[in-house]
Amino acid sequence: QSALTQPASVSGSPGQSITISCTGGSSDIGGHNHVSWYQQHPGKAPKLIIHGVNNRPSGVSNRFSGSKSGNTASLTLSGLQADDEADYYCCSWTNSYIYVFGTGTKVTVL
Amino acid sequence: EVQLVESGGGLVQPGGSLRLSCAASGFTFSVFAMHWVRQAPGKGLEFLSSILGDGRTTQYANSVKGRFTISRDNSKNTLYLQMGSLRGEDMAVYYCARDLDIFGYAFEIWGQGTLVTVSS
Repeated sequence: QSALTQPASVSGSPGQSITISCTGGSSDIGGHNHVSWYQQHPGKAPKLIIHGVNNRPSGVSNRFSGSKSGNTASLTLSGLQADDEADYYCCSWTNSYIYVFGTGTKVTVL
Repeated sequence: EVQLVESGGGLVQPGGSLRLSCAASGFTFSVFAMHWVRQAPGKGLEFLSSILGDGRTTQYANSVKGRFTISRDNSKNTLYLQMGSLRGEDMAVYYCARDLDIFGYAFEIWGQGTLVTVSS
């Protein structure tokens, strides 16, 4: 199972919105709605920020939102803040009954 | 407080074995699916293995199938990963993660990770 494809880096200014794409295929993203997103600050464990394509766990800011179209999922960060600077990973359940992560995207706040 | 604490990492020679543990607290361990995920230095996250709450159903990524074994002891609230035939590419920080639900298709709670170094 190959990793899902994400852009290596995305940047934005404080207050702006950015979108990170995550592209897979019909055996993963396109086959169901079990897509999640994780935020990882340097030296820290990942943190779940979106599950089930567009659901936020309790305590996660509503500035994070998710969506999906076909074989591509997307994460949008609105009102960009300095603390949003981190690595972001998508993840999908697959038809092989395992998970596959995305390649990861480094978000830089200018 | 819901918490996962990994242990057992360290230096191992190529071809060697190692067992990682993940001690869980603050929730009903036997209910939740559990997972192992790793991250090589400077690289992305890689899913390794899952186990359902009753311990009977397991899944593995192709990269570790046949070499790694996931298990759990619900009486001790502990998850394990037995790793064998270790290679240089297995060097990584290994995280255990609790599922969002019985099987919620997401990794809600993460441990702090334990580093495995494979080198002669």
